[in-house]
Amino acid sequence: EVQLVESGGGLVQPGGSLRLSCAASGFTFSSYWMSWVRQAPGKGLEWVANIKEDGSEKFYVDSVKGRFTISRDNAKNSLYLQMNSLRAEDTAVYYCARGSSGVGYWGQGTLVTVSS
Amino acid sequence: DIVMTQSPDSLAVSLGERATINCKSSRSILYSSNNKNYLAWYQQKPGQPPKLLIYWASTRESGVPDRFSGSGSGTDFTLTISSLQAEDVAVYYCQQYYSTLSITFGQGTRLEIK
Repeated sequence: EVQLVESGGGLVQPGGSLRLSCAASGFTFSSYWMSWVRQAPGKGLEWVANIKEDGSEKFYVDSVKGRFTISRDNAKNSLYLQMNSLRAEDTAVYYCARGSSGVGYWGQGTLVTVSS
Repeated sequence: DIVMTQSPDSLAVSLGERATINCKSSRSILYSSNNKNYLAWYQQKPGQPPKLLIYWASTRESGVPDRFSGSGSGTDFTLTISSLQAEDVAVYYCQQYYSTLSITFGQGTRLEIK
């Protein structure tokens, strides 16, 4: 059974940093693109970043470029999102997702709240 | 970036009736090399992650009831629920994955029972 479990969310002050993790199981992690997608409270879905199977290609939505870094450790079946210089508008539930196109598997999400 | 615009923003349909949600992309998401439209549809219920319904614009995900269907090509797409059931109340999103560099979702359509 495919499982994606996010962790690392919480309350952080504006300008602060947070690192999200996603533990994957039930599939060959190293064979899939992986993505982070977020959803602000009461709002729609926003793709944040994705990373190629071997980590050689990474892409970001414009609003997080230069502040967020997506990475993966295929030996640990884990996906990460390092978030720096956080802003109030980054407040959202962050979902880990397998793939980028026609995403069939999602985690339950982890809430990031940026507030003083 | 490719902008995805859904219509309507909200929709109320009677049980057993047809529900239709539209999605328009700012440019074509049809790849001529493989004749595939890079579009997916998702259903999201409160407190849950999105659920994939349709990919390649018209291919139903395994386990999705056949009352859900997708159609369209190029820039205009439609999600149709042929006979609305109570459990279909949700927010529906379209997503383009034509460009891996910049994946975008529609703003969502809230579907309710009339």
